[in-house]
Amino acid sequence: DQQVKQNSPSLSVQEGRISILNCDYTNSMFDYFLWYKKYPAEGPTFLISISSIKDKNEDGRFTVFLNKSAKHLSLHIVPSQPGDSAVYFCAAISRGGSEKLVFGKGTKLTVNP
Amino acid sequence: NAGVMQNPRHLVRRRGQEARLRCSPMKGHSHVYWYRQLPEEGLKFMVYLQKENIIDESGMPKERFSAEFPKEGPSILRIQQVVRGDSAAYFCASSMRTGGVEKLFFGSGTQLSVL
Repeated sequence: DQQVKQNSPSLSVQEGRISILNCDYTNSMFDYFLWYKKYPAEGPTFLISISSIKDKNEDGRFTVFLNKSAKHLSLHIVPSQPGDSAVYFCAAISRGGSEKLVFGKGTKLTVNP
Repeated sequence: NAGVMQNPRHLVRRRGQEARLRCSPMKGHSHVYWYRQLPEEGLKFMVYLQKENIIDESGMPKERFSAEFPKEGPSILRIQQVVRGDSAAYFCASSMRTGGVEKLFFGSGTQLSVL
């Protein structure tokens, strides 16, 4: 019973181009969404988040879009850089409930020079 | 300004042995979370603790697993009588307060291998 789904295990893009990572969720109670970046042998680090009352949040090269009706969010990275190569996890939480983050399986992004 | 410290980084145990994973939260953080990542999976919540209290252990397997966060010292995740299926990366995260998921900092994890 996967409540947060990242259907693309991997993505490869050229340096300078846009990277688009997708995430779908099934639980209507989720009201806050986060993206984490993870390098090998390290823990996840917070990247960007969005509340369910918004449809877009931007931070430098990173933008997250939320489509509540479709229960879909995406992370755009532009321009992509080789240092962005990592595994990206989508996570969701119901803020009025427990403190549990629910993670997707991750998408491995490779940015080629 | 040390981050969340987990040790050991790698732990090898034979079936039936005990595994003890330690987590020292960031300075000033009193909330600790444990997550487990099985191979090819995302991180899954196990337990949420505050000092001397277990707040939510709904993600913990019913048997063999226990966690504590004493008044002094690190948080400990203990797995008794380990089995091969326990092989995974175990991540600890800490925060200063509830509701601050953006301020949740993860450690580098402990990779448990059960032979």
